[in-house]
Amino acid sequence: GNSVTQMEGPVTLSEEAFLTINCTYTATGYPSLFWYVQYPGEGLQLLLKATKADDKGSNKGFEATYRKETTSFHLEKGSVQVSDSAVYFCALSYSGGSNYKLTFGKGTLLTVNP
Amino acid sequence: GAGVSQTPSNKVTEKGKYVELRCDPISGHTALYWYRQSLGQGPEFLIYFQGTGAADDSGLPNDRFFAVRPEGSVSTLKIQRTERGDSAVYLCASGQQGVDTQYFGPGTRLTVL
Repeated sequence: GNSVTQMEGPVTLSEEAFLTINCTYTATGYPSLFWYVQYPGEGLQLLLKATKADDKGSNKGFEATYRKETTSFHLEKGSVQVSDSAVYFCALSYSGGSNYKLTFGKGTLLTVNP
Repeated sequence: GAGVSQTPSNKVTEKGKYVELRCDPISGHTALYWYRQSLGQGPEFLIYFQGTGAADDSGLPNDRFFAVRPEGSVSTLKIQRTERGDSAVYLCASGQQGVDTQYFGPGTRLTVL
């Protein structure tokens, strides 16, 4: 079946450091790939997505590139801020008709210190 | 506009009791999903509605779990004979037909004592 494996957390960085959170997936066919973020006390929000190989999703300074050859979708940001502290989830879905149910990784807690 | 809302935000119940969790999706969203998130885990899919019908219930763990969406808007997740292992955050998400982006509610934290 489909699965998503994320880098184990927690990750602690200083402000302005470079961030990478690794994500790899196992799936048949060509899923769409997502990063969702959960800020403290808030619900899950879509951060970025990519729907086909070599697509790059980007938002709020975060980027991730859909790499079919390595089945990866690593999240990166060049300079993190304290406000980026949150739990990050990598996920995939298929457009099986209209059903876009998501398969999530376990999540990675990021803490950014001033 | 209003996002996805879920009630109650917290529910504490005793083992063996029946509970109902409610989800109000974004107006006009025909797709509705329920997920369950256990401590330290990512959300796991439970059930998907397109309109009023449950198009995919493959994630429901057993027949104690049931969900309805009678008018194609509000949905209720029903759990019978609750067990301590049912303790988790139950998330609801909605989306537009044919679009893969889902909008999540804040969740209901269920604790079974």
